[in-house]
Amino acid sequence: QVQLVQSGAEVKKPGASLKVSCKASGYTFTTYYMNWVRQAPGQGLEWMGVINPSGGSTSYAQKFQGRVTMTRDTSTSTVYMELSSLRSEDTAVYYCARVRGGESIAADLDYWGQGTLVTVSS
Amino acid sequence: QSVLTQSPSVSEAPRQRVTISCSGSSSNIGNNAVNWYQQLPGKAPKLLIYYDDLLPSGVSDRFSGSKSGTSASLAISGLQSEDEADYYCATWDDSLNAVVFGGGTKLTVL
Repeated sequence: QVQLVQSGAEVKKPGASLKVSCKASGYTFTTYYMNWVRQAPGQGLEWMGVINPSGGSTSYAQKFQGRVTMTRDTSTSTVYMELSSLRSEDTAVYYCARVRGGESIAADLDYWGQGTLVTVSS
Repeated sequence: QSVLTQSPSVSEAPRQRVTISCSGSSSNIGNNAVNWYQQLPGKAPKLLIYYDDLLPSGVSDRFSGSKSGTSASLAISGLQSEDEADYYCATWDDSLNAVVFGGGTKLTVL
């Protein structure tokens, strides 16, 4: 069965960087684009960007351009999301989510990781 | 402010039918497929409807989706207490080159 397992909760200081992992299993890793979506406490869902695990190409939301980097390791079927220059507003649950249709940038995300809580505080 | 507009909350009695709306523009809903998610408290979102009106395998047929122009709707019939959750619409926006979500609608089953 398809599973996306994310790394554990983190506490970071303002200005630091964050790297969250998402290990995929139960399907062919390179044939489904992977998105990152975050949710601040009590708030809605916010799309951060997407990575093509096959070639590594990425597309980021303008809000995060210059601060976010998404990478993948095909040998371990893992995608990573790195966010730099953290501020308190980055406190959120971060999710990885697979595109249902496979190799496309789209909004139908059929499998989600369990979420990683990131707290940014001095 | 979210690019897609949803009412913050809606409530209805058990066994009744409720509709949740999502309003956008020609660059998003008007030109791309709409998807709906259900998020139970403390859980990851779950895909409920994709391509405007299709149900993923395993999703109850009490849920249905529709779209007209730049607006979309999610209907839930035969409301049950377990339907209490936050519901989000989502689609691609051609102008922003981004996936956009509605602000979410909190459903309360009275």
